[in-house]
Formats: sequence, structure tokens, C-alpha cells
Amino acid sequence: SQKIEQNSEALNIQEGKTATLTCNYTNYSPAYLQWYRQDPGRGPVFLLLIRENEKEKRKERLKVTFDTTLKQSLFHITASQPADSATYLCALDGMDSSYKLIFGSGTRLLVRP
Amino acid sequence: GAVVSQHPSRVICKSGTSVKIECRSLDFQATTMFWYRQFPKQSLMLMATSNEGSKATYEQGVEKDKFLINHASLTLSTLTVTSAHPEDSSFYICSARVAGAFGNQPQHFGDGTRLSIL
Repeated sequence: SQKIEQNSEALNIQEGKTATLTCNYTNYSPAYLQWYRQDPGRGPVFLLLIRENEKEKRKERLKVTFDTTLKQSLFHITASQPADSATYLCALDGMDSSYKLIFGSGTRLLVRP
Repeated sequence: GAVVSQHPSRVICKSGTSVKIECRSLDFQATTMFWYRQFPKQSLMLMATSNEGSKATYEQGVEKDKFLINHASLTLSTLTVTSAHPEDSSFYICSARVAGAFGNQPQHFGDGTRLSIL
């Protein structure tokens, strides 16, 4: 069955450093992949979408890569700030016509001042 | 733009009560809305896909008679948890997709409803 894995352990980094989060998937060939941010008690907020034919996508301090051979996406936040502390979720399309998303369990990022 | 409002944000009620949660797209039309359930420190689990003017599509293992979904307009979908019991306590989140958008688009989420059944 389809499986999406994100590191369940929190990532703890110093302010100013680059945070790198990983999303791996198996038994799956998604057409696109999305990253969301979720703060405690809130709904997810869309950050970036990358398609299978795109290797990399950038938005301000954010960068996403998508390697369909490795079945992996990396999410980078450069010059991290304490305000970047949140849980980051990757999501893949459901491979049908419903446009539904299948979410990973998320990785919590803590940026120390 | 693309704001989704979910109401109420928190519900505490007795076992056996039915609870209705509303999900509204405020500044766009949404032919498709999605309902998720999230347990603490776990992923969002898709419960059902709500389509305007037609029956919802439920994911495997989700009881459609327990979780009633109505999508009567292009801006409103409701989820009713019928005869709720303590095991139904969870964080319920809706999302919406912009109507008429082709291909791969982000989902816009509400801020969730924390349901606590005593």
C-alpha cells in the first residue's frame, strides 16, 4: 500500500541555520507533491507545490526538491527564524480524479533563538 | 484570498449528542471540499470528499451514517457527527479546492474544530 514517511522526531536547530526536512514515499508515483505548515491547534497552510517534472521550486527562503527516482522530497528553510517553528507536512496527490491529498505525519521544527 | 472558515472552533458535549460542523469558503467557490480527522501528533486522515450537489465519497473505514456530509452550495459543506461518543473526540479539519481550477492545486484549510465528547 502507499506509504509516506516523514521523520517523526523533532528537528531542533539554531536560528540562522538551514533546516532540511525529508519526505519519503513508497508504492507510489505521485504527479505532484505539496508542503504545508501547521501550527498547534490550527489548520495547515499551503507553502509550495512541485510537479513530477520539476526538480526544484523556490519561494523566498523556502526550497523544495522532488526526486522521483529516490521517491523523496526535501524541504529547506534557509536563514531559519524562531517564527519558522511549526510542524511541516508533505502531501501527495491521491492518484485519482478526486484531487484528494494523502498527508505524511509531519516533522516538527524548533528553531532556537 | 482563499479563506476557509470553520465553525465552531471547539465543542464540548455529552455522549449521544449530534454535532454539526460548518466549513465555508469565504472569498471563492468550492465544488470540492475535504474533511479530515487528526489525532494528537498524528497525520491528517482524510475522511471524505464532499462534492457540491452530489453525495460525498467516503474513505475506507469511515461510517457514512455516523459522519453525515452535506455540500448544498458552492461555499458551504457541513459535517454532522451523529450520536457522538467519547471515541469520536478529535480535531476535525476541512479544506476546499477552488472551483474551476484545473490540475494540481493547493487545498485551503479551515482552522479546525476540537470536538470533545464527555
